[in-house]
Amino acid sequence: GAVVSQHPSWVICKSGTSVKIECRSLDFQATTMFWYRQFPKQSLMLMATSNEGSKATYEQGVEKDKFLINHASLTLSTLTVTSAHPEDSSFYICSASLAGETGANVLTFGAGSRLTVL
Amino acid sequence: EDQVTQSPEALRLQEGESSSLNCSYTVSGLRGLFWYRQDPGKGPEFLFTLYSAGEEKEKERLKATLTKKESFLHITAPKPEDSATYLCAVQAHQGGSYIPTFGRGTSLIVHP
Repeated sequence: GAVVSQHPSWVICKSGTSVKIECRSLDFQATTMFWYRQFPKQSLMLMATSNEGSKATYEQGVEKDKFLINHASLTLSTLTVTSAHPEDSSFYICSASLAGETGANVLTFGAGSRLTVL
Repeated sequence: EDQVTQSPEALRLQEGESSSLNCSYTVSGLRGLFWYRQDPGKGPEFLFTLYSAGEEKEKERLKATLTKKESFLHITAPKPEDSATYLCAVQAHQGGSYIPTFGRGTSLIVHP
């Protein structure tokens, strides 16, 4: 089955530094990847849609200069949290889209990355 | 605007006590309805896709059903290892990107 690898699984950084999270599709090519943020006991909040070879589409209220997304190849998308602050601490999850029956796209998720900003 | 409402928010069951989780949705042009399981500190794991009213799918102790307004995830004789958060999502026609909308999930705890 489709596998999405996300790295690192957890990271602790100092306020003001930048952190990069990688999301790789291991056995398939993903033209579209989604980045989510999840707060404790809350559902997934879509941050942006990453399309290979083009600029990411950000959801309303998500700062594109703070959350830089790069989808340079069909198997890799990266999320960089720039100048991180404690309020950026969260669980970030990526997913890749696979076309299923009747065109509905099944999302395969990475294991998530827990970011803690001190 | 697409909406997904899951109930209950939390559910505690005794091992072997069957129950159902509900996912009510409002969407224009349903492309698919998905159920995922999420364990603490992990990414969601895909369970089922349902495409049209009347469709049912089963996997071990889980069975998902779909009507035009809601979906149910039935859990038969649950075991402690079924404890997790179950997420429902709908996918509609939205340009060409098929962005899914997720519910808040139902947190299930099964006591031995």
